[in-house]
Amino acid sequence: GENVEQHPSTLSVQEGDSAVIKCTYSDSASNYFPWYKQELGKRPQLIIDIRSNVGEKKDQRIAVTLNKTAKHFSLHITETQPEDSAVYFCAASRVGGGSNYKLTFGKGTLLTVNP
Amino acid sequence: DTEVTQTPKHLVMGMTNKKSLKCEQHMGHRAMYWYKQKAKKPPELMFVYSYEKLSINESVPSRFSPECPNSSLLNLHLHALQPEDSALYLCASSQVRLAIYNEQFFGPGTRLTVL
Repeated sequence: GENVEQHPSTLSVQEGDSAVIKCTYSDSASNYFPWYKQELGKRPQLIIDIRSNVGEKKDQRIAVTLNKTAKHFSLHITETQPEDSAVYFCAASRVGGGSNYKLTFGKGTLLTVNP
Repeated sequence: DTEVTQTPKHLVMGMTNKKSLKCEQHMGHRAMYWYKQKAKKPPELMFVYSYEKLSINESVPSRFSPECPNSSLLNLHLHALQPEDSALYLCASSQVRLAIYNEQFFGPGTRLTVL
């Protein structure tokens, strides 16, 4: 089955700095990679996603890059703000073939943005 | 209504009790999910229902019994739980569209404590 590794497990940055979280996956058939943000005591929420036919996607201060050959993808947050503090989970999924439902999550990164 | 709701928010039960968790969505989604999340860990998939039929059971112990009485409701019946079953139980829902990843929308969760 799929295995997703996520690094680092904790990340502390100063407000205004950039933050980068990296994930690798094992199953070359995985073709969809969402990122979830989970604030303390709250539900996970999708913040950005990327499909395997795209190398990069950007949404305001958040961007995700994908390297299919190396089987890794990264989340980039620029101009970090205190409200970006949360746990971020990467995930991988294989769309199609009856596997549309299963998300394999990384172990999470606790991001702390210091004012 | 664009939210997944869950009741109760908190539940404390003894090992001999029987209780149920409830999840509801009115987004017309035909896939619904139960996840278990321990502190500082990613969500772990337990069950998936697609068109009100059990599609995936991730080898969950029989003391957890899911039920999908209609397209909007998902229940998780609990019986003879163990203290290690204490966790946040998340419900999610998504559309069911072939060959496309269907974003999963999470509910706020039920915080379960087993004494």
